[in-house]
Amino acid sequence: RKEVEQDPGPFNVPEGATVAFNCTYSNSASQSFFWYRQDCRKEPKLLMSVYSSGNEDGRFTAQLNRASQYISLLIRDSKLSDSATYLCVVNPSGYIFGTGTRLKVLA
Amino acid sequence: NAGVTQTPKFRVLKTGQSMTLLCAQDMNHEYMYWYRQDPGMGLRLIHYSVGEGTTAKGEVPDGYNVSRLKKQNFLLGLESAAPSQTSVYFCASSMTGGLYEQYFGPGTRLTVT
Repeated sequence: RKEVEQDPGPFNVPEGATVAFNCTYSNSASQSFFWYRQDCRKEPKLLMSVYSSGNEDGRFTAQLNRASQYISLLIRDSKLSDSATYLCVVNPSGYIFGTGTRLKVLA
Repeated sequence: NAGVTQTPKFRVLKTGQSMTLLCAQDMNHEYMYWYRQDPGMGLRLIHYSVGEGTTAKGEVPDGYNVSRLKKQNFLLGLESAAPSQTSVYFCASSMTGGLYEQYFGPGTRLTVT
């Protein structure tokens, strides 16, 4: 089993839709969790950290479920500009990256 | 603040040639990292450093060497390039490890023919 697993997608959704991604991790000792966004041929950029109680930033909501060992990212009211690859990152004793989920928002 | 910068942005090497990739950060971060990203493989850690003068191996260190002589710079060397090292290389830095997010440079696209 991979340490961090994501559905590669692509998720094709219409503008205005709500879309959710999950990311599962295998190391129960993981202490910090992040979602990064990566545009084609660009560097990953931090979207949001994921806190135990869940957190929201505008249209984006991140959740952590320690019992089932997954984190989730919910995007509401999708925009064309949300089209990108979303990477989850889990940190047990070093940053472990998922391979990413591709999102395409369609007009 | 420039953040994390990388030079060069693009490079084509012939098999057996050597080169050095330079990463610089102006955020006074202690930790720095070199990753490679290949299609379908995600980001894989090559080497990292937890402070000036220190280096450590990551997941895929073979064929690479690193140096961190100054806190703000982290160099990645390829002594004898191979086609398998064709990839996009990203440098990153973080305040410390663990709880803090990483900041990435714009990447270096390397092709080895």
